[in-house]
Amino acid sequence: KQEVTQIPAALSVPEGENLVLNCSFTDSAIYNLQWFRQDPGKGLTSLLLIQSSQREQTSGRLNASLDKSSGRSTLYIAASQPGDSATYLCAVIRQSNTGKLIFGQGTTLQVKP
Amino acid sequence: NAGVTQTPKFRILKIGQSMTLQCTQDMNHNYMYWYRQDPGMGLKLIYYSVGAGITDKGEVPNGYNVSRSTTEDFPLRLELAAPSQTSVYFCASSRDRVMGYGYTFGSGTRLTVV
Repeated sequence: KQEVTQIPAALSVPEGENLVLNCSFTDSAIYNLQWFRQDPGKGLTSLLLIQSSQREQTSGRLNASLDKSSGRSTLYIAASQPGDSATYLCAVIRQSNTGKLIFGQGTTLQVKP
Repeated sequence: NAGVTQTPKFRILKIGQSMTLQCTQDMNHNYMYWYRQDPGMGLKLIYYSVGAGITDKGEVPNGYNVSRSTTEDFPLRLELAAPSQTSVYFCASSRDRVMGYGYTFGSGTRLTVV
């Protein structure tokens, strides 16, 4: 059974700091891994999607990496801003599933001005 | 573009009551999903649909039912509500079945069963 774990559960940093969020998964047979952002009371917004054949994806100040062999992904946020405060969720799609996402429990980030 | 619309946004139910959570998408996506999110946890899949008339169970289907009579609508029915069903419910749709591209989430329905 695929399990997805995110560490830490919560993180508080001062504005301007670079930070890394971690995601690990138990079964390396995945099609892709996605990072989502969730703001309080809102739905999820897709940030980055990494295909199983890729090693990383970048969007602005965000960089996500994928190491399938070790079952790990990281989301790197450069020069953090208070507007980055949110919960970040990673999710994988298994090769045997049809579009169904398996989520980690999320990391809640607070960036202090 | 409305995307994925969920109603209601909030609801309080008494134990044993029933209700339907509505979900509509206007992107002509074939694939639709219902997830629930408990406090401090990730989302767990309840049911999904790969097209009109086709539905299947996810990880946590007990206590729920779904139907998919049109491409646009994917309602989730709770029969005999229980406190364990207190959660935030998210509906989502996707353009692609396997690769997960174009995943769009609704803003959620916060349900409390008392």
